[in-house]
Amino acid sequence: DAGVTQSPTHLIKTRGQQVTLRCSPKSGHDTVSWYQQALGQGPQFIFQYYEEEERQRGNFPDRFSGHQFPNYSSELNVNALLLGDSALYLCASSLPTGITYGYTFGSGTRLTVV
Amino acid sequence: LAKTTQPISMDSYEGQEVNITCSHNNIATNDYITWYQQFPSQGPRFIIQGYKTKVTNEVASLFIPADRKSSTLSLPRVSLSDTAVYYCLVGDINEYGNKLVFGAGTILRVKS
Repeated sequence: DAGVTQSPTHLIKTRGQQVTLRCSPKSGHDTVSWYQQALGQGPQFIFQYYEEEERQRGNFPDRFSGHQFPNYSSELNVNALLLGDSALYLCASSLPTGITYGYTFGSGTRLTVV
Repeated sequence: LAKTTQPISMDSYEGQEVNITCSHNNIATNDYITWYQQFPSQGPRFIIQGYKTKVTNEVASLFIPADRKSSTLSLPRVSLSDTAVYYCLVGDINEYGNKLVFGAGTILRVKS
């Protein structure tokens, strides 16, 4: 049973560029959430997608946007990259209501902005 | 969302039992307590979840007193591979569109 798959694993971008990160949820899960984790800190919630719509958003600027496809996979897009966007980006999948057994996280995409 | 407080770090030796306590004074009636484990360059992994008293699985035990203002994650006979960051989260697991709110977590270092 495949878990959450994220691609790419590592990425280096230049300030001002745009980046797209991808996530395939665990089999049977239809809700995808994205988190940003800076070095030495806990993950911070970016947004959550269900039924191809963003249904909750954290305190992140509009430069951060996402999309969910009919097969439940998701993309995270970040425009006009800043040095401070360097972080580990985590995708987590779950059922839409109730997380009795918790979210399942991927291993993340390490984004470095230079 | 209830705020949680955990120790920043803990050290232990292989074979010992480790107890990590989390304080959550403002926990709400519908809130559950969930613990996650995270290794470097990996996503957090669900360990255990509970509402009251005691919960045990193959990995850990979770002790929750009657007032639910704190909880203790107990790891029996730790090994070097248990070195990780442990997060305590409190929230309503049945809330529509719920999200996980992570604090800084507790860095556990297991030594030989």
